[in-house]
Amino acid sequence: LAKTTQPISMDSYEGQEVNITCSHNNIATNDYITWYQQFPSQGPRFIIQGYKTKVTNEVASLFIPADRKSSTLSLPRVSLSDTAVYYCLVGDGNAGNMLTFGGGTRLMVKP
Amino acid sequence: NAGVMQNPRHLVRRRGQEARLRCSPMKGHSHVYWYRQLPEEGLKFMVYLQKENIIDESGMPKERFSAEFPKEGPSILRIQQVVRGDSAAYFCASSPQPVNQPQHFGDGTRLSIL
Repeated sequence: LAKTTQPISMDSYEGQEVNITCSHNNIATNDYITWYQQFPSQGPRFIIQGYKTKVTNEVASLFIPADRKSSTLSLPRVSLSDTAVYYCLVGDGNAGNMLTFGGGTRLMVKP
Repeated sequence: NAGVMQNPRHLVRRRGQEARLRCSPMKGHSHVYWYRQLPEEGLKFMVYLQKENIIDESGMPKERFSAEFPKEGPSILRIQQVVRGDSAAYFCASSPQPVNQPQHFGDGTRLSIL
């Protein structure tokens, strides 16, 4: 399974756009990139998933360059409630869809 | 549409006792996964089950831990003879099928061993 590397922590302010980049140099052809958000004392919550180029939904955008060796989660206009840990995961879903979580990025949004 | 339900949310056991953690997947989901999370760490995969079958238990400790997902009822993660090191948050996730479908997580069971 491809290993991911992402910053340990990030700080931002309310109303700003936040971009969290994840490196996955060994991503395989069949691998998808998935991001989860986790609040304290809660389970991870699915945010977005993509394979290439750009994916956008109601909460975030995911940018994936052509070589797919990295990806960037973009959160527009963050609020205090976006303070959480964000996990980037890579996998093909065929291995029983077993997810491999790294340490994640702790995002702190300040007023 | 109810999400993944785990109970109990908190469980306290003394060393040597048994712990049973329950997980009811989302309606229509037949794939269940168990993960363990230690403080300040990411989740670690333990086991993947489908109805009445264990598909992958490569992340499960060889002793004291077992999991099942019977035809009827919730999935159960069972820890026998608990030790202090078993203290963690245990999360269950479910998906409708394994191929590139996001998993939906419950809010976990926090197990504390006295």
